[in-house]
Amino acid sequence: SQTIHQWPATLVQPVGSPLSLECTVEGTSNPNLYWYRQAAGRGLQLLFYSVGIGQISSEVPQNLSASRPQDRQFILSSKKLLLSDSGFYLCAWGGAGVFTGELFFGEGSRLTVL
Amino acid sequence: GESVGLHLPTLSVQEGDNSIINCAYSNSASDYFIWYKQESGKGPQFIIDIRSNMDKRQGQRVTVLLNKTVKHLSLQIAATQPGDSAVYFCAENAGNDMRFGAGTRLTVKP
Repeated sequence: SQTIHQWPATLVQPVGSPLSLECTVEGTSNPNLYWYRQAAGRGLQLLFYSVGIGQISSEVPQNLSASRPQDRQFILSSKKLLLSDSGFYLCAWGGAGVFTGELFFGEGSRLTVL
Repeated sequence: GESVGLHLPTLSVQEGDNSIINCAYSNSASDYFIWYKQESGKGPQFIIDIRSNMDKRQGQRVTVLLNKTVKHLSLQIAATQPGDSAVYFCAENAGNDMRFGAGTRLTVKP
């Protein structure tokens, strides 16, 4: 069966520090991968999605970046965090057809920028 | 712009009662809709989906109704249980995005 892992689960970082959140998927090949951010009490905002290795689509201008170095690995990064980057970050994977089917979410990474 | 929204931010029901969570969408081109359940501190979990060529779909204790005329989506939970307490999101396929509403918090009272 397919599983998705996301880490770290919780992170407290100072303003201006770098960020790296990692997501890996097991049990499937060539998944579509997504990074969402959820602010407190809000819905999910799409940040990036990827349909293949090295292919990244960005939905929102920001100081974050994403990379997909391997088929089942998706990384969210920042060189210098802002206070506004605080939130709950969710990685998800989906099957063939971007946004045409169910998304399977990881457990999330809660980032607090101080 | 196009958006997905919810009529009620919170809903409190008695255990054993039926729950109805509503969602309005504005993108008439959306052809796929999903309901997700999110428990505190966890990622959303799929509950049920429906495509625009249907107006009703049933799962285990859940039913999703789609009214394309008024762009309305609802999730019905039968015999609500304490374990159903969570935030429920509707989401719509909007081209190159799966747009989520802000969510409705369902609280089940014993």
